[in-house]
Amino acid sequence: GAGVSQSPSNKVTEKGKDVELRCDPISGHTALYWYRQSLGQGLEFLIYFQGNSAPDKSGLPSDRFSAERTGGSVSTLTIQRTQQEDSAVYLCASSLAAGGLNNEQFFGPGTRLTVL
Amino acid sequence: AQKITQTQPGMFVQEKEAVTLDCTYDTSDPSYGLFWYKQPSSGEMIFLIYQGSYDQQNATEGRYSLNFQKARKSANLVISASQLGDSAMYFCAIRDTGRRALTFGSGTRLQVQP
Repeated sequence: GAGVSQSPSNKVTEKGKDVELRCDPISGHTALYWYRQSLGQGLEFLIYFQGNSAPDKSGLPSDRFSAERTGGSVSTLTIQRTQQEDSAVYLCASSLAAGGLNNEQFFGPGTRLTVL
Repeated sequence: AQKITQTQPGMFVQEKEAVTLDCTYDTSDPSYGLFWYKQPSSGEMIFLIYQGSYDQQNATEGRYSLNFQKARKSANLVISASQLGDSAMYFCAIRDTGRRALTFGSGTRLQVQP
């Protein structure tokens, strides 16, 4: 079956522009997560969705970052007025449900964002 | 809050030898899960192994095993019979009932030498 997909795979933008990153989770996965990985670093949590609601937004670094999920499926991460420090790989993951501690999170290939 | 510490930025191992990648963690929640992921140069995150805090035995998955020492808050990954394809970044992560997302360590870059 299809895994988690993300688009675009690469995005180059100019400082100050808005960008939208898309995530298509595995069908039937109710939990969806966004992480950010800066060059040579570990993954940093941004936001998690259970269905269409976001019980945990604590990782969003500023109010320029927002995300939504519709129909319990596709999610869009939006970064407004991009800054150079936003340059990173943005990874999306999904799992069957957030409840089980052992629920494996399946990751997408990521979107590499470069802000010039 | 959870925390993961991986103190080895880089490790080298000879092909066919075993290697241990260190991971220590901190959480105040008695119920938690520990994960190891592999990230090759292609960038994908590949799940390797899981250990629950109440599991009585150390987890094993093929050539991967987890040396879980609860009292020391340690969850080291052991890779037996290393292969060239094992060269990658390895991340330890924790999840507890207070936060559903994973908290990752900074990773260890493993290089397997022929």
